[in-house]
Amino acid sequence: QVQLVQSGAEVKTPGASVKVSCKASGYTFTRYPMYWVRQAPGQRLECMGWISAGNGNTKYSQKFQGRVTITRDTSATTHYMELSSLTFEDTAVYYCARGVGPAFSVGFDFWGQGTLVTVAS
Amino acid sequence: QSVLTQPPSVSGAPGQRVTISCTGSDSNIGAGSDVHWYQHLPGTAPKLLIYSNTNRPSGVPDRFSGSRSGTSASLVITGLQAEDEADYYCHSYDTSLSDSLFGGGTKLTVL
Repeated sequence: QVQLVQSGAEVKTPGASVKVSCKASGYTFTRYPMYWVRQAPGQRLECMGWISAGNGNTKYSQKFQGRVTITRDTSATTHYMELSSLTFEDTAVYYCARGVGPAFSVGFDFWGQGTLVTVAS
Repeated sequence: QSVLTQPPSVSGAPGQRVTISCTGSDSNIGAGSDVHWYQHLPGTAPKLLIYSNTNRPSGVPDRFSGSRSGTSASLVITGLQAEDEADYYCHSYDTSLSDSLFGGGTKLTVL
């Protein structure tokens, strides 16, 4: 069965970077794009961007352009999301979510369990 | 305005039917963008309930159904069960933002 297992909670200071991983199993890794979605406390879900697992091409939401980097390691069947220049407003639960296709318009059929990133001084 | 609006909460008794609305605009749902729905229990991974407006992934009971009309979409849950108590989110694409959008979420309480 499809499983997306994310790395554990992180605490970072303002200005630092965080890298969250998402280990995928149970399907052909290169066949599906992976999206990253976050939810800050009391806020709605936000899509940060996605990566084509096959060729590594990425597309980022305008809000996070320049601050987010999404990569993947096909040999490890693992996706990564790195967010830099963290501020308190980046405190959120970050999810990886498998897309049914490569576009911002598609739905996400499987999600990771979420990784809490806390930015605190 | 590029936003998807959901009611903050809905409720119903076991066995009843509830409808959760998702109101968008001409730049998202009204532009023909597909709408997807997720069920989310806090602390767990969100679950896809409906994709591309009306389609159920395998394993999702047929008590859950979706529709889209004009600039709005709806999720209908019939035969409410206690296990349906969760947060529900709609999701679509906005053509003017060229970005994905989520609704604010609706908390379903089973009385």
